[in-house]
Amino acid sequence: GQSLEQPSEVTAVEGAIVQINCTYQTSGFYGLSWYQQHDGGAPTFLSYNALDGLEETGRFSSFLSRSDSYGYLLLQELQMKDSASYFCAVRNTGKLIFGQGTTLQVKP
Amino acid sequence: EAGVAQSPRYKIIEKRQSVAFWCNPISGHATLYWYQQILGQGPKLLIQFQNNGVVDDSQLPKDRFSAERLKGVDSTLKIQPAKLEDSAVYLCASSHRSPHEQYFGPGTRLTVT
Repeated sequence: GQSLEQPSEVTAVEGAIVQINCTYQTSGFYGLSWYQQHDGGAPTFLSYNALDGLEETGRFSSFLSRSDSYGYLLLQELQMKDSASYFCAVRNTGKLIFGQGTTLQVKP
Repeated sequence: EAGVAQSPRYKIIEKRQSVAFWCNPISGHATLYWYQQILGQGPKLLIQFQNNGVVDDSQLPKDRFSAERLKGVDSTLKIQPAKLEDSAVYLCASSHRSPHEQYFGPGTRLTVT
């Protein structure tokens, strides 16, 4: 079977750093994607890791450890607009399997 | 570049009625996906097309759901008859080369009463 686990909720203050973890169990693993979804909006692509290590894109970074079946999304210098749901998604051959999502609430 | 278009944005129907959703992907994107997203959950893949052929429909409830992508461009997803548990947002997405980066449309919020 395939499963992904991520915390359901995370709360942080503006300007802080927050890490959203994702652990997965799957066969045929190709990589790990991260998506952001604001309330009532569409998911938007943030980052993708196919190999171990850290990928940085502005304030957002994503990390993957294939041997540990683990990844995380790191958000720095949090802003109020970062309040949203964040989904990790495993790429399994030609498709994505999404986790249940982590709701991030940024407080002033 | 225009994004993924979907219509309608909202739909309310009674159980046992039928409903259809339409999606126009980003121009040039060969792969099109339909997802079901129940409130508080992640998107669940219903069906995936590569051009006008079905790649994966393993999670599509085929007794009531159907989808087509004629001419390899836009696509329709139909539910007939609808059940209460079909209440969800139906998202369409497309990708160009790799499935890890998908572009999503605004979704259709379906309420079945």
